[in-house]
Amino acid sequence: DGGITQSPKYLFRKEGQNVTLSCEQNLNHDAMYWYRQDPGQGLRLIYYSQIVNDFQKGDIAEGYSVSREKKESFPLTVTSAQKNPTAFYLCASSTLDSSNEKLFFGSGTQLSVL
Amino acid sequence: QKEVEQNSGPLSVPEGAIASLNCTYSDRVSQSFFWYRQYSGKSPELIMSIYSNGDKEDGRFTAQLNKASQYVSLLIRDSQPSDSATYLCAVNSLSGNSGYALNFGKGTSLLVTP
Repeated sequence: DGGITQSPKYLFRKEGQNVTLSCEQNLNHDAMYWYRQDPGQGLRLIYYSQIVNDFQKGDIAEGYSVSREKKESFPLTVTSAQKNPTAFYLCASSTLDSSNEKLFFGSGTQLSVL
Repeated sequence: QKEVEQNSGPLSVPEGAIASLNCTYSDRVSQSFFWYRQYSGKSPELIMSIYSNGDKEDGRFTAQLNKASQYVSLLIRDSQPSDSATYLCAVNSLSGNSGYALNFGKGTSLLVTP
């Protein structure tokens, strides 16, 4: 089945620790995105990438880092500099066809601080 | 700062009624507009996309777009309790240093009562 796989489903972070959220897609999509969702809030863009080895900051990139070494993979690292990391993190992908920009979402990772 | 505004609700409608969800956006050059449905703890799923002024119908759903007024809406006919969810409006906007990404509103919570 084609789709986007996020792991883990739940993740706990200790104070001062970096953690990495995994996102893999087999849809052959060029673009991949990371969004953060807080309770009762919409999605806020953290980072996005439209091509391998290139990525752009979104609206709330501070305290996060990403890499795009392969087309299929776009991991997100939540660094210790992110002081309020508790949130639901969503990875998404899309084609770059301007007439078909629908996002396909993974099932999400709930990150909590211990 | 580009913005997508939605009434957070909750919007309560009786079963069988029409639910009307509204969204305004600030980026005049936006060309693509989407409605996503999100159940609690789940990832968003696309239900409608619209690119041209006017109405677009798909089953019980109708999306309406007015670019001059920077307004997009979603009508749900014959509302069912299973339609109870948060509905996210998303607009394609310039993001970061280059490129476009979807900018989401905070969502409107819909409750369909039996």
